[in-house]
Amino acid sequence: GQSLEQPSEVTAVEGAIVQINCTYQTSGFYGLSWYQQHDGGAPTFLSYNALDGLEETGRFSSFLSRSDSYGYLLLQELQMKDSASYFCAVPAAGQNFVFGPGTRLSVLP
Amino acid sequence: DAGVIQSPRHEVTEMGQEVTLRCKPISGHDYLFWYRQTMMRGLELLIYFNNNVPIDDSGMPEDRFSAKMPNASFSTLKIQPSEPRDSAVYFCASTPDRGTDTQYFGPGTRLTVL
Repeated sequence: GQSLEQPSEVTAVEGAIVQINCTYQTSGFYGLSWYQQHDGGAPTFLSYNALDGLEETGRFSSFLSRSDSYGYLLLQELQMKDSASYFCAVPAAGQNFVFGPGTRLSVLP
Repeated sequence: DAGVIQSPRHEVTEMGQEVTLRCKPISGHDYLFWYRQTMMRGLELLIYFNNNVPIDDSGMPEDRFSAKMPNASFSTLKIQPSEPRDSAVYFCASTPDRGTDTQYFGPGTRLTVL
């Protein structure tokens, strides 16, 4: 089966950099995705890594190491609006998509 | 594009009643997913369809839950009879291709079973 682990909470101040880690165990691996969810809202797609390395999209970057079964989401120049829950997810054959438990990010002024 | 549409947005019902949740995926998307989100269990995949055909329903909790997709633009998730432990937010999501990992989520239906 598939399982993913993330820290439950992270706190940082405006303007700082924060890294949210994700480790996974899967029976088949196709890539690692990240989603953002504000309170009361729906998950929205942030990034997807199929290959090792860093993918950058504006203030957000995502990293994958397939050999270590590990990835992270890096948020730079934090803003108050970044306060949300962040989920890593893996698409996998058969079971399709499995989401991690989520990391709640609180950005303080 | 209007995005994924779900109705109702909120549903309050009493234990034992039938509940029907509705979803309209983004036009042209071949895959449709139903998820349930609770504080205790997180975001769980219940079932997904490809071209209106159910592919994997292993996440459906029990026989009280059923899902249909009669055509490419409409799907339903039914709970009969409903129980308080079914209280959760139910999301529908669609994606154009199995190979892409960008899932587009609807706004969700918040279900409360009293």
